[in-house]
Parts: sequence; C-alpha cells; structure tokens
Amino acid sequence: DAKTTQPPSMDCAEGRAANLPCNHSTISGNEYVYWYRQIHSQGPQYIIHGLKNNETNEMASLIITEDRKSSTLILPHATLRDTAVYYCIVTETMYSGGGADGLTFGKGTHLIIQP
Amino acid sequence: AAGVIQSPRHLIKEKRETATLKCYPIPRHDTVYWYQQGPGQDPQFLISFYEKMQSDKGSIPDRFSAQQFSDYHSELNMSSLELGDSALYFCASSPPPVMGPYEQYFGPGTRLTVT
Repeated sequence: DAKTTQPPSMDCAEGRAANLPCNHSTISGNEYVYWYRQIHSQGPQYIIHGLKNNETNEMASLIITEDRKSSTLILPHATLRDTAVYYCIVTETMYSGGGADGLTFGKGTHLIIQP
Repeated sequence: AAGVIQSPRHLIKEKRETATLKCYPIPRHDTVYWYQQGPGQDPQFLISFYEKMQSDKGSIPDRFSAQQFSDYHSELNMSSLELGDSALYFCASSPPPVMGPYEQYFGPGTRLTVT
C-alpha cells in the first residue's frame, strides 16, 4: 500500500469548512483513497473513498488531484462533534485473491473544531 | 441499523493469563478484521477472516490466535498475556464482495488491561 503524509494537527472554527490534506505521491493505478476518522477511543468510522473522481456523500467531499498524488477531505460545515483524528489510507481494493486486506493506519490528522 | 458487537467491553487480566475477545459482525457481513490500539498509538491490523478462512495477517503475535465460526462471529484468543498487551482491541466487518472496494465497519472495542 502507498504511504500517506498528513499534517499532525489542524484547527477549524465551528461552522466553517474543514479541509484536510493528504499526500500520497506513490499511489498506484489500482489503489483507492479512503478516509476514516476516530473520535476519542471509539471505533474508527468510515467517511468516504475514491479512485480518481471527486466524491461526495452525506458526511464529506473528497477531492483527488488529477495526478492522484494528493487529496483533500472536506467537511463542509464542521461541528464540535467532528473533533477527531482523521486517517487517509491508500489501499488496493480490499478483496484481492479472494482475501480481505486489513487497513494500515498512519499517524493521521488531529482535527480540533473550535467553538 | 445493526452494528458490530464486541464483548466484553472491558477486561482485566493478570500477566500470563489467557483472554478471549468476541466479535459479532453486522448481519450478512462475512468478513471480520481485528485491530489493536495501544495507548497513544494508532490502530494496528492483526488478522482478518473471509468466509471462515484466514485472509490477511498483520502484526499478530504468535501468542494470539483467532478464528471465524460458521455463524461468522469471530474470537481472538490471547495467551501468556503481557503488560504490553494492554490496549483497545477493535473488530470490524465488511459485506460480501461483489465488485470494487468496501468499507470496514468498526465495533466499539474491548479495552484489555493486563496487570
């Protein structure tokens, strides 16, 4: 799996958009970009994933650059409950050769939403 | 919606004892993953099972073993416990593969304390 680089921490004002960057310059053509978050000591929570096109769901938007070497997770209207560690994970499709691959969590970004 | 169930939620054991953690995946999910998260650390993948067969293996110590049963629940058995085994243990599940990538749904975790 390709290595990812994220800033260790970020602040964002409540109600504003939170933009979390991720660098994955060694990503290969069949690898997806996934975002998960972990609110203090809870189980990680899936947010969104994408391959090359921008994606949006009810939680967030994912913007992937054309060369796929970086991406940005956007939380459009951050709330205090969005304070968490956000993990950008690059991995091949989770089922390869009939198996199910585990996720490799890096250091993540600790996003703090300020009131 | 039904979520991943883990039991027990908290467990206290002494060094050299044995512990068994249980995971009940979301209904109709046939893949289970185990992760370990030490204090102040990021989650680390241990092992996964797909259709009751071991699928992927991460940093699981030889003292640990796991299996998935016919009803798809999974158990993580940990023997000769060490102080360093004190951690949060997360189980995750994902649905049957059809095509493409799948997100993992995490349980609330079991907090194991070894004294």
